[in-house]
Amino acid sequence: QVQLVESGGDVVQPGRSLRLSCAASGFTFSSYGMHWVRQAPGKGLEWVAVIWGDGSNKYYADSVKGRFTISRDNSKNTLYLQMNSLRVEDTAIYYCATDGGADAFRIWGQGTMVTVSS
Amino acid sequence: EIVLTQSPGTLSLSPGERATLSCRASQSVSSSYLAWYQQKPGQAPRLLIYATSSRATGIPDRFSGSGSGTDFTLTISRLEPEDFVVYYCQQYNSSPWTFGQGTKVEIK
Repeated sequence: QVQLVESGGDVVQPGRSLRLSCAASGFTFSSYGMHWVRQAPGKGLEWVAVIWGDGSNKYYADSVKGRFTISRDNSKNTLYLQMNSLRVEDTAIYYCATDGGADAFRIWGQGTMVTVSS
Repeated sequence: EIVLTQSPGTLSLSPGERATLSCRASQSVSSSYLAWYQQKPGQAPRLLIYATSSRATGIPDRFSGSGSGTDFTLTISRLEPEDFVVYYCQQYNSSPWTFGQGTKVEIK
């Protein structure tokens, strides 16, 4: 069964760090680029970051550049998002999703909630 | 950055009616890289349409997509009760990948 399962969401204070994980199963993880997409409470979808299947390329939204780092461990079929210097405006549900090339974001996880609050 | 503007923000219709959702891009988007997603409350987005007009696996044929250049449309031919949720368009040609702000389809 094709599945993505996020974890690591928590309530943290501004300025602190958090690492999210996304465990993949049911498909050849290393063959797919992977994205993080977030959704603030009651708001729309915002793309955050992408990493190529082999990890060779990474891109970030301007809103997180320099603070967030996307990475992956293909031996563990796991995607990560290291979030540093967290801000109140980073509060959101964070989803991981597969990059299917022309097939768009075909598979999504259920999301993990990050709340940044003092 | 390609900005996608969806209209209307909210669409009020009755079950059985036809829904037409618009997505306008600030610059030309390759038709191969325009998608539509459906999001139900409390759930992750679900891919409906990719490459402008191709239905994803398991998507009913009442959903269809069309368009080119800067103007794209999602059409729901006959609204079912479960279709009254939020829809997003997305361009995924290159970084930064961008989404529209969403259209909510509500029961009139």
